[in-house]
Amino acid sequence: EAGVAQSPRYKIIEKRQSVAFWCNPISGHATLYWYQQILGQGPKLLIQFQNNGVVDDSQLPKDRFSAERLKGVDSTLKIQPAKLEDSAVYLCASSLVRGYEQYFGPGTRLTVT
Amino acid sequence: SQQGEEDPQALSIQEGENATMNCSYKTSINNLQWYRQNSGRGLVHLILIRSNEREKHSGRLRVTLDTSKKSSSLLITASRAADTASYFCATDAGAQKLVFGQGTRLTINP
Repeated sequence: EAGVAQSPRYKIIEKRQSVAFWCNPISGHATLYWYQQILGQGPKLLIQFQNNGVVDDSQLPKDRFSAERLKGVDSTLKIQPAKLEDSAVYLCASSLVRGYEQYFGPGTRLTVT
Repeated sequence: SQQGEEDPQALSIQEGENATMNCSYKTSINNLQWYRQNSGRGLVHLILIRSNEREKHSGRLRVTLDTSKKSSSLLITASRAADTASYFCATDAGAQKLVFGQGTRLTINP
């Protein structure tokens, strides 16, 4: 079974630039999550999709972050414009059943200079 | 907001010894999950325990849950070098949304 795919793996940008991350979840998983993990901390949920609908985006900084999941499969997370404090690893995860076991991708390490 | 807090923040033991880490949380939960994260494999789900369960086993892992104390523990028996990683507890306190703690960094010394 193929795992959760993410790209790119690493990205370095300057502040005020924009960046986008891509995620392909495990086939058949209706729920998709984006997390932000700052060094030394646990992952923080940014947004949760059920199929192509948003279930929870309460911790997504909507003035600069946006996410979409077209056709209920792949998802993209965008930051525009980036700030220094956005430097983190962005993790995508998917699950067959909401609230149960989540499968994580390798993450994208973003450095904002 | 941080729901779970792991204790200790860091733990270093000799290979073969047992490792115990604890998680405390603040509100009622539907389930509690433990995840492992190392540089090679990213975040991996280890075990899920429901609020009506008190103990679960999976291989060398044993998880307990005490809902009256709002706490859980993860025991790794007969530790191996490959167990070196950060371990996170995550709670589902409703809305099927997981909230992760800060993690325990476990180092297994040969």
